[in-house]
Amino acid sequence: GENVEQHPSTLSVQEGDSAVIKCTYSDSASNYFPWYKQELGKRPQLIIDIRSNVGEKKDQRIAVTLNKTAKHFSLHITETQPEDSAVYFCAASYLRQNFVFGPGTRLSVLP
Amino acid sequence: GAVVSQHPSWVICKSGTSVKIECRSLDFQATTMFWYRQFPKQSLMLMATSNEGSKATYEQGVEKDKFLINHASLTLSTLTVTSAHPEDSSFYICSASSSGRGDEQFFGPGTRLTVL
Repeated sequence: GENVEQHPSTLSVQEGDSAVIKCTYSDSASNYFPWYKQELGKRPQLIIDIRSNVGEKKDQRIAVTLNKTAKHFSLHITETQPEDSAVYFCAASYLRQNFVFGPGTRLSVLP
Repeated sequence: GAVVSQHPSWVICKSGTSVKIECRSLDFQATTMFWYRQFPKQSLMLMATSNEGSKATYEQGVEKDKFLINHASLTLSTLTVTSAHPEDSSFYICSASSSGRGDEQFFGPGTRLTVL
């Protein structure tokens, strides 16, 4: 089955700096890769996603890149703000079934 | 739009009893619903995927008879934890997706289950 790894497990950055979180997946059939932000005590919220036919996608300060050959995808957050502090999960899925989540990255943005 | 609710939000039960958790899509029809389990400070572990009108597909290691899932309508899925034991204590989160809304999953707020 699919296996998703995520690094780093914790990340601290200064406000205004960039943060990068990387994920790798094992199943080459996976074709949908969402990223979720989960604040303490709250439900996960989709922040950006990418499909296997696209190499990069941007939404304001957030971007995701996908390398299908290497089977890895990354989340990039620029100009980080304290409200970006949360746990971020990547996931991999095939045809919207069998979502497998990474272990999560706890991001702390220091003022 | 795309609101998913769960009920109850927190339940405490005695060991050996059964607990039912409801997951509802309030403003859209969910063709697929997912049930996850999340331990403190850990990731979401997919337990099962359910499509309306068909049997749920369980992930490896998840006991079907222990965690009964029913997806009787396009807006409601239920998870019943049968004969609950303390090790079943966890945070259970559902999510829903719709073919009309692409691949995005919309998560419920979660249900905290504590088994005494």
